[in-house]
Amino acid sequence: DGGITQSPKYLFRKEGQNVTLSCEQNLNHDAMYWYRQDPGQGLRLIYYSQIVNDFQKGDIAEGYSVSREKKESFPLTVTSAQKNPTAFYLCASSIGAAEAFFGQGTRLTVV
Amino acid sequence: AQKVTQAQTEISVVEKEDVTLDCVYETRDTTYYLFWYKQPPSGELVFLIRRNSFDEQNEISGRYSWNFQKSTSSFNFTITASQVVDSAVYFCALSEGRRNTGFQKLVFGTGTRLLVSP
Repeated sequence: DGGITQSPKYLFRKEGQNVTLSCEQNLNHDAMYWYRQDPGQGLRLIYYSQIVNDFQKGDIAEGYSVSREKKESFPLTVTSAQKNPTAFYLCASSIGAAEAFFGQGTRLTVV
Repeated sequence: AQKVTQAQTEISVVEKEDVTLDCVYETRDTTYYLFWYKQPPSGELVFLIRRNSFDEQNEISGRYSWNFQKSTSSFNFTITASQVVDSAVYFCALSEGRRNTGFQKLVFGTGTRLLVSP
């Protein structure tokens, strides 16, 4: 079955730690995205990538970093510079202007 | 700037009632796409519909229907004869990506939580 897999489903981070969220897709999509969702809010774009080895900042990129070394993979690192990282993170992919498909999300909590 | 407004934060209905979720958008682009996504309690976003700015035809898919009106910049979603399984958060979104680019940058509304009780 084709789709997007995010792991882990739940992640706990201590203050000052970097953590990496995994996103893998087998849909052969060129474009991949990371969104952040806070309670009662819509999704906000963190980073996106159109092709391998290229990515662009979204609206709230500060405190985050990404890489795109393979077409299938687009990991997101939440760095210690992100002051309020507790949120629900969603990865997505698309082909052109067609609809984006989303993963099941990772819930990150700072402890 | 592009913006999507979903003024209804939460709607509660009883099963079998019809319900309409409102979506108003702002954009200066002449070419754009509008979307509706459903987010059940499990968290993933489920794609429901995509509509491009050149196609104002209304669409019906089973109990779901969508009314796109460029004159009022609205893209409303109606569920007919609602069911408990329709309970979810529904997001309206607008794509900033231009035609022929290889990506789609979505601007989301804040979502409407729909509660359908038996």
